Amino acid sequence: GQQLNQSPQSMFIQEGEDVSMNCTSSSIFNTWLWYKQDPGEGPVLLIALYKAGELTSNGRLTAQFGITRKDSFLNISASIPSDVGIYFCAGQLSNDMRFGAGTRLTVKP
Amino acid sequence: NAGVTQTPKFRILKIGQSMTLQCTQDMNHNYMYWYRQDPGMGLKLIYYSVGAGITDKGEVPNGYNVSRSTTEDFPLRLELAAPSQTSVYFCASSYDQREASSNEQFFGPGTRLTVL
Repeated sequence: GQQLNQSPQSMFIQEGEDVSMNCTSSSIFNTWLWYKQDPGEGPVLLIALYKAGELTSNGRLTAQFGITRKDSFLNISASIPSDVGIYFCAGQLSNDMRFGAGTRLTVKP
Repeated sequence: NAGVTQTPKFRILKIGQSMTLQCTQDMNHNYMYWYRQDPGMGLKLIYYSVGAGITDKGEVPNGYNVSRSTTEDFPLRLELAAPSQTSVYFCASSYDQREASSNEQFFGPGTRLTVL
């Protein structure tokens, strides 16, 4: 089945720093999504990407859908303490959605 | 709207017991999903449904059953609980997975299940 490789597994950064994480796959997807999960809660959608090459921003977040349709990255600029959490990428093809293992982000004030 | 609600929040089962995890959404979404999330891992799709009366297997369906008699409800059934089913279970819904702009999945808060 399709596997997503998400990196890094974890990041420890200072408040104000920029963050970058990415996902790669051996298979193509039609949609890439980035979710954030806070402790004890379900994931919440941050950004959805629908076209190869698409670059989309949502506040301090920017994500891109790779041109090969096999990868995506998420950037967070000027991190703040509430950015702490686990970030998941997800690739979707038809009714099948696959998730990466997550990037655990810690922001030190 | 309450969104996606799940009950119970926590449950401990003994090996071989059965239980049903409840999921309800009040957004009139057609699509509903069940995922499991193991420690340090992403979510894996167990079953999904594209509408009332229609269900389909996901990536890891073994040991589970689902039904979708109404648009709102999508219960997940474990018939013979095993330690390998210890996990956090998330239910999600979306309006229409086929329409790229409508496929955002909304997740419930999760059910933490331990099988001893």
